[in-house]
Amino acid sequence: NAGVTQTPKFQVLKTGQSMTLQCAQDMNHNSMYWYRQDPGMGLRLIYYSASEGTTDKGEVPNGYNVSRLNKREFSLRLESAAPSQTSVYFCASSESGDSSYEQYFGPGTRLTVT
Amino acid sequence: RKEVEQDPGPFNVPEGATVAFNCTYSNSASQSFFWYRQDCRKEPKLLMSVYSSGNEDGRFTAQLNRASQYISLLIRDSKLSDSATYLCAGVGASKIIFGSGTRLSIRP
Repeated sequence: NAGVTQTPKFQVLKTGQSMTLQCAQDMNHNSMYWYRQDPGMGLRLIYYSASEGTTDKGEVPNGYNVSRLNKREFSLRLESAAPSQTSVYFCASSESGDSSYEQYFGPGTRLTVT
Repeated sequence: RKEVEQDPGPFNVPEGATVAFNCTYSNSASQSFFWYRQDCRKEPKLLMSVYSSGNEDGRFTAQLNRASQYISLLIRDSKLSDSATYLCAGVGASKIIFGSGTRLSIRP
């Protein structure tokens, strides 16, 4: 089992460029999440998907869009990157959004926007 | 006030010492709590769940104090490999909120 995988591991963008962060899990989990982590700020939820076919905003959704492509995959898109989006992005999954919040994280994507 | 707050540290303790840190939460409706460990430049990994009756796993003990709204993590006989950032998380209103983390450094 690979667990949760993310691509790319590192990315540098110029302001205004777009990109999609990919996430996949092989644990047959129903729920998936996207977080960003900034120094001193902890993990902040961007978007989540409680189950295939549903997505909901988290604490900091502005500037991002998501797609739950199927049960395994959950992508995060930055349409027009801004320097404020420089961060480490983590994808996570859990068995269920209701009964089990034990989350398993991917290795992260380090994004720099210049 | 943040929903989940932690002392950022760093806690710098000698190997073999016992160290404890707390995490306070503001939402009294929070139902479940967790401790995660995060190594430098790595992803968070679940360390242990926190049950109402307390939870012990080897050298690690987690406690929940609902009256004072905090959870604690105690590490006994600390090892160099325990050096990491420890994140607490609370679940309430169908969402999980993470604290900013407490940095622990174990010195030889």
